[in-house]
Amino acid sequence: DAGVIQSPRHEVTEMGQEVTLRCKPISGHNSLFWYRQTMMRGLELLIYFNNNVPIDDSGMPEDRFSAKMPNASFSTLKIQPSEPRDSAVYFCASSLRIRGATTYEQYFGPGTRLTVT
Amino acid sequence: QKEVEQDPGPLSVPEGAIVSLNCTYSNSAFQYFMWYRQYSRKGPELLMYTYSSGNKEDGRFTAQVDKSSKYISLFIRDSQPSDSATYLCATYSSASKIIFGSGTRLSIRP
Repeated sequence: DAGVIQSPRHEVTEMGQEVTLRCKPISGHNSLFWYRQTMMRGLELLIYFNNNVPIDDSGMPEDRFSAKMPNASFSTLKIQPSEPRDSAVYFCASSLRIRGATTYEQYFGPGTRLTVT
Repeated sequence: QKEVEQDPGPLSVPEGAIVSLNCTYSNSAFQYFMWYRQYSRKGPELLMYTYSSGNKEDGRFTAQVDKSSKYISLFIRDSQPSDSATYLCATYSSASKIIFGSGTRLSIRP
């Protein structure tokens, strides 16, 4: 079974450039999460979607960050313009939310390591 | 105060030792607690999951929750070099939102 797929795995860009990170969740999963991991702040939830609809974007740090999920098998996280402090590892995770269940295991992708110079 | 606090380590122990990893949390309403393991350059993966207080054992791993002191522990018996990873404690703040500790980097010396 293919797990969560993220691309690119590494991205190096210059300050001010637009960056787009991509995620393909596990087939059949209906929830998708974007996280950011840094040494200073650990693993933080940025935004999550249920059935392609954004539910909570309170973790998105600034208006420079935006996320979309046009269909059940694809999501993007865009940073425009990028800044050096955006350098981090960005993870996508997906889960299957079942009506009546209390919690849902999240499966993480391998991450995209972003460096903004 | 962070909602989930974890000593970042690093922690280095010899092979075969018992490892104790710990976290504290601030909100007494939290009910579900998890431990994730993250190998270098990989995404986190769920290791163990417990509900409310008590112990849960899975092979060499034991997860313990003490709700009275808001303390979460993970014990690893007969530690192996393959256990070297970062371990993150976590809890659900709502049905879908997980709050993670900062992670403890563990190294098992052969």
